[in-house]
Amino acid sequence: AQTVTQSQPEMSVQEAETVTLSCTYDTSESNYYLFWYKQPPSRQMILVIRQEAYKQQNATENRFSVNFQKAAKSFSLKISDSQLGDTAMYFCAFMNPAGGSYIPTFGRGTSLIVHP
Amino acid sequence: GAVVSQHPSRVICKSGTSVKIECRSLDFQATTMFWYRQFPKQSLMLMATSNEGSKATYEQGVEKDKFLINHASLTLSTLTVTSAHPEDSSFYICSARAPNRQGATGNTIYFGEGSWLTVV
Repeated sequence: AQTVTQSQPEMSVQEAETVTLSCTYDTSESNYYLFWYKQPPSRQMILVIRQEAYKQQNATENRFSVNFQKAAKSFSLKISDSQLGDTAMYFCAFMNPAGGSYIPTFGRGTSLIVHP
Repeated sequence: GAVVSQHPSRVICKSGTSVKIECRSLDFQATTMFWYRQFPKQSLMLMATSNEGSKATYEQGVEKDKFLINHASLTLSTLTVTSAHPEDSSFYICSARAPNRQGATGNTIYFGEGSWLTVV
């Protein structure tokens, strides 16, 4: 079974600075998808970034980028120029299409606080 | 981006009654939808996988007779909490998988806004 580990329960950063959230996963599959989701106090899960395992290039969405290390099974999220609105829970997720189930596995989350 | 809509966002019901929560994919067809329950300060707990045209697959420990899931069309899945009790009060959230044929967004999981259920 796949597992996703987010080793940082809480993180804090000053506004305008950069922060990196870590995520590691365990799988024997070679084809899969990785995601980062943001959950603000409203509780809605917002897709931040998506990475396909067969693509070596790291995904980037504006201030958000990932460092995808397939061999190390690591998928960290870097937030540049942090803003107050980035304060939220961040969940890393893994999805394996093998067998057609597509059931995603989520980490326990990292609570990020951006200080003014 | 793709949109998944969940309704109602908040619902209060009396103990012993049933309540239905709807999850709709607005701009793509979702053969698979997922229902989660989230306790305070915790991650998402998968309750069941909803497959269009077939029975839902429930996770271990989830009462299928209590949490009825129906996925009657490619854009709608419903969760009905039957004979609700106060301990069923929680945040329920659905998600839908955009199919592979949709290019860059394919095989991406999109979430609804979530539903707060309070049983009094």
